[in-house]
Amino acid sequence: AQSVSQHNHHVILSEAASLELGCNYSYGGTVNLFWYVQYPGQHLQLLLKYFSGDPLVKGIKGFEAEFIKSKFSFNLRKPSVQWSDTAEYFCAVNANQAGTALIFGKGTTLSVSS
Amino acid sequence: GAVVSQHPSRVICKSGTSVKIECRSLDFQATTMFWYRQFPKQSLMLMATSNEGSKATYEQGVEKDKFLINHASLTLSTLTVTSAHPEDSSFYICSASWGQSSYNEQFFGPGTRLTVL
Repeated sequence: AQSVSQHNHHVILSEAASLELGCNYSYGGTVNLFWYVQYPGQHLQLLLKYFSGDPLVKGIKGFEAEFIKSKFSFNLRKPSVQWSDTAEYFCAVNANQAGTALIFGKGTTLSVSS
Repeated sequence: GAVVSQHPSRVICKSGTSVKIECRSLDFQATTMFWYRQFPKQSLMLMATSNEGSKATYEQGVEKDKFLINHASLTLSTLTVTSAHPEDSSFYICSASWGQSSYNEQFFGPGTRLTVL
């Protein structure tokens, strides 16, 4: 069965610090990979996604993620966080097959102090 | 981008009553819809997958007689929580995708907060 592990439960950073959130998945086949963000009181929003091609993908708000197939990883990065990045971040994966559900990691809470 | 709505956004009901939550794809035809449940400060747990016109596929541990899912059209899926109890209180989120493409992006609704008294 597919599973997703997010290593950091709660990350606390100061503004302008760099961010890297870890995500590993277990699945033997071809996968699609996603990072979602959930701001306080709001619904899930897609940050970025990887289907194929360049393993370094850029998303909204300055976020990027790198797919390393050999490590089954899809870590999220941002060079300089802002207070407004305070949110819950979820890594998700699904099989590269139509109609398959997303499997989510447990999420990482990011708190950015100004 | 594609928009998914949910109604109601918040509902409070008495124990033993049934509650229906609607999930609509507003600007695309959703061949597949998914229902998730999110507990406070936890991840989304998939409850079931529904394809238009066919019975939903439930995840292990989800009671299909308690959580009735109907996907009667390409734009609407409903989740009915029957005989709700306080432990059913949660945040229910739907998502939708379309087509047979392997680029299986899902679009999420804003969620429904259910409180059972």
